Amino acid sequence: GAVVSQHPSRVICKSGTSVKIECRSLDFQATTMFWYRQFPKQSLMLMATSNEGSKATYEQGVEKDKFLINHASLTLSTLTVTSAHPEDSSFYICSARNQNEQFFGPGTRLTVL
Amino acid sequence: AQSVTQLGSHVSVSEGALVLLRCNYSSSVPPYLFWYVQYPNQGLQLLLKYTTGATLVKGINGFEAEFKKSETSFHLTKPSAHMSDAAEYFCAVSFASGAGSYQLTFGKGTKLSVIP
Repeated sequence: GAVVSQHPSRVICKSGTSVKIECRSLDFQATTMFWYRQFPKQSLMLMATSNEGSKATYEQGVEKDKFLINHASLTLSTLTVTSAHPEDSSFYICSARNQNEQFFGPGTRLTVL
Repeated sequence: AQSVTQLGSHVSVSEGALVLLRCNYSSSVPPYLFWYVQYPNQGLQLLLKYTTGATLVKGINGFEAEFKKSETSFHLTKPSAHMSDAAEYFCAVSFASGAGSYQLTFGKGTKLSVIP
């Protein structure tokens, strides 16, 4: 199946700093990319949906200015957590969709100290 | 609106025993149904999916699921559990929109433990 990569896999940062997470579809062009957040022992919560070249659509309750999403190409989307705080610590998973299926990245564990 | 309910946040089975993970959904339109598996600190891997056609769907690692419209269920089964099956399992539902896009709605997950 298609491969989606995320970088970094783990990141630890100080409170107040910004962190960028990259999501790449390695062997296909993704018409749409999704960003999810997963709290410990809970399900995936969709944060936003993005299409290449257009603004992301954020789910209710997700702060657009805090979670900046850029979908610069059909194979790359980035999520930037701005001015991170300890409550932003979580597991962030991206997903990329081609015409038929949605594929998930391995996730990024963010810890904000 | 669509939703997914997974009965049992934690299921334990003995190695070699039947695995049954329950999933019920609600959807106002014909759904697409999925089961994903997540190992610790990893992303989701698709086990199987139902879109149209045969209601009994076979997936990877010996898993299968049956779409029962009358019961709005899509339970996941495996005849004989293996230690490597221990993981978190998520049921998800979506439907195709006229625009050709869809959005997955996930259940809360069921953690499967396999006892030697």
